Amino acid sequence: DVKVTQSSRYLVKRTGEKVFLECVQDMDHENMFWYRQDPGLGLRLIYFSYDVKMKEKGDIPEGYSVSREKKERFSLILESASTNQTSMYLCASSLIAGPQTYGYTFGSGTRLTVV
Amino acid sequence: AQKVTQAQTEISVVEKEDVTLDCVYETRDTTYYLFWYKQPPSGELVFLIRRNSFDEQNEISGRYSWNFQKSTSSFNFTITASQVVDSAVYFCALSVYTGNQFYFGTGTSLTVIP
Repeated sequence: DVKVTQSSRYLVKRTGEKVFLECVQDMDHENMFWYRQDPGLGLRLIYFSYDVKMKEKGDIPEGYSVSREKKERFSLILESASTNQTSMYLCASSLIAGPQTYGYTFGSGTRLTVV
Repeated sequence: AQKVTQAQTEISVVEKEDVTLDCVYETRDTTYYLFWYKQPPSGELVFLIRRNSFDEQNEISGRYSWNFQKSTSSFNFTITASQVVDSAVYFCALSVYTGNQFYFGTGTSLTVIP
């Protein structure tokens, strides 16, 4: 069964910490995405990547960075965590020509709480 | 610009009732794709259906059916004879041919009461 795996289901971090959220997919997908999900706001795109070492800003990139050193792994980095980054973070992947044809495959999400 | 609106924030129905989840989209692209995803309490979004802009045929899959109407820019989702396992958040999404990005609605939280 194809999978997108997010390393942590729940995470609690302190304000100012540097936080790494990891996402790994085993489908050889070119595209990978990071979304955050908040009540009433739906899913908002933070960053995406369509190839190794490539990245593109989404709608809300401020306060975040990403890393894609290998095709299967896409990391989201909170440089200095703040309480307004408390949220559910969802990773997704798709084939390069895939979003329209096959849709996304999502991970189970990481619920991050910043205290 | 692309936009998806799910006006229903929360819906509660009693088991075995039918329920329709509304989705209205905006785009100027002529080639686009519409999706529905289900997010159960476990958190993972599960793909339900994809529709392209050239195919307005309604689709039925078991208790699920989808009504795509370009004239009203709507892609509504109906669950017939709802069950407790249908309780979830449902997202409608739009993707255009020229891009990689999905545009999600804000989701509709469905609770089916036994």
